[in-house]
Amino acid sequence: EVQLVQSGAEVKKPGESLKISCKGSGYSFTSYWIGWVRQMPGKGLEWMGIIYPGDSDTRYSPSFQGQVTISADKSISTAYLQWSSLKASDTAMYYCARRNHDYGDAFDIWGQGTMVTVSS
Amino acid sequence: DIVMTQTPLSLSVTPGQPASISCKSSQSLLHSDGKTYLYWYLQKPGQSPQLLIYEVSSRFSGVPDRFSGSGSGTDFTLKISRVEAEDVGVYYCMQGIHLPITFGQGTRLEIK
Repeated sequence: EVQLVQSGAEVKKPGESLKISCKGSGYSFTSYWIGWVRQMPGKGLEWMGIIYPGDSDTRYSPSFQGQVTISADKSISTAYLQWSSLKASDTAMYYCARRNHDYGDAFDIWGQGTMVTVSS
Repeated sequence: DIVMTQTPLSLSVTPGQPASISCKSSQSLLHSDGKTYLYWYLQKPGQSPQLLIYEVSSRFSGVPDRFSGSGSGTDFTLKISRVEAEDVGVYYCMQGIHLPITFGQGTRLEIK
């Protein structure tokens, strides 16, 4: 079964660092782009950036450039989203999703989401 | 950035009745490769988004045929021929022709 499994919910304080993960299985992880999407409480979907695990080519939305770092470890089929200094406004659900060229580059498989809560 | 504008933002539909959602993009989504990079997603309550339609009108695997997509250029429509209770949630259009990828604001569908 093709799936993306994300790491569990996190509760952090402002200023702390965080790295969440997204592990792919059931397919060739290095052959598909993985994107990250933010959903703030009660709000819509925002695309943050995307990485190609095969060569770690990474693109960011201007809205998130410099605010987060996207990376991948192809040896363990895992993509990451990390913050060096969290803010309360980073409180959100974060989804990873696979971009599939067979479906017109749609995000066809989504992770279950990782809830990040930043509060003092 | 390409702005995606959905209307309406909410709709309430009686089971068995049709529903329609419009999505307009600020630029054409037709690529020089001939494909149009417009997708529709449904986010059911408490769940991750799920792909319904890709390239304007192609249904993703397992999507019921009561869902259909149409449109071209900058104007697109998602139609549900006969709404069922399981269709509740928020529908998003998304463009993938240019980075940054952008989503519409979402349309909340509820059942009367």
